[in-house]
Amino acid sequence: AQSVAQPEDQVNVAEGNPLTVKCTYSVSGNPYLFWYVQYPNRGLQFLLKYITGDNLVKGSYGFEAEFNKSQTSFHLKKPSALVSDSALYFCAVRDRTGGGNKLTFGTGTQLKVEL
Amino acid sequence: SAVISQKPSRDICQRGTSLTIQCQVDSQVTMMFWYRQQPGQSLTLIATANQGSEATYESGFVIDKFPISRPNLTFSTLTVSNMSPEDSSIYLCSVGEGQGNSGNTIYFGEGSWLTVV
Repeated sequence: AQSVAQPEDQVNVAEGNPLTVKCTYSVSGNPYLFWYVQYPNRGLQFLLKYITGDNLVKGSYGFEAEFNKSQTSFHLKKPSALVSDSALYFCAVRDRTGGGNKLTFGTGTQLKVEL
Repeated sequence: SAVISQKPSRDICQRGTSLTIQCQVDSQVTMMFWYRQQPGQSLTLIATANQGSEATYESGFVIDKFPISRPNLTFSTLTVSNMSPEDSSIYLCSVGEGQGNSGNTIYFGEGSWLTVV
């Protein structure tokens, strides 16, 4: 079975400050990991993914995420937050072996960036 | 990435009725999926829409309630049958790039926001 935990329902950060949205995962094998963002009244937009190779993955809008196998984490980061980054962020995992194409999502973290 | 269009984008439905959601993709894709996002909740996979054969449903979802069609590689429909207020959700069509389980990205449409009254 595969699962994702996003321990924070909401993260508040001041504009210009760095932000981190946390994600931990559980799979029986090795993971594919994804981050998506959902703006109000919109569908999900793909931000970035980890497949293999470099543990630091760079994605859209200046976001990046670091894969840490020992801690089974894939935290989303951005060096300098913008008010326009305020949205709902979802981490998702897929098991490389036996997981098929099924994505399992976390419960989401609401990011609020304030002036 | 593929452009995914869903219709309707929003609807208010009467209890006991059925509604069909359409998903059109601007290119041929092997993998198409339907997800549900209940209010304030995360996404749950309903089923994988298989071209030319019956959809593969996840635990807790059945064909009688959520019949799915996939007549070709660019189009799929999801019907929500005999709706109740508990079916009020966002229903999202999604597609996978490439083939097989090779770390391919799943892209989502804008969703169909259904409210059952």
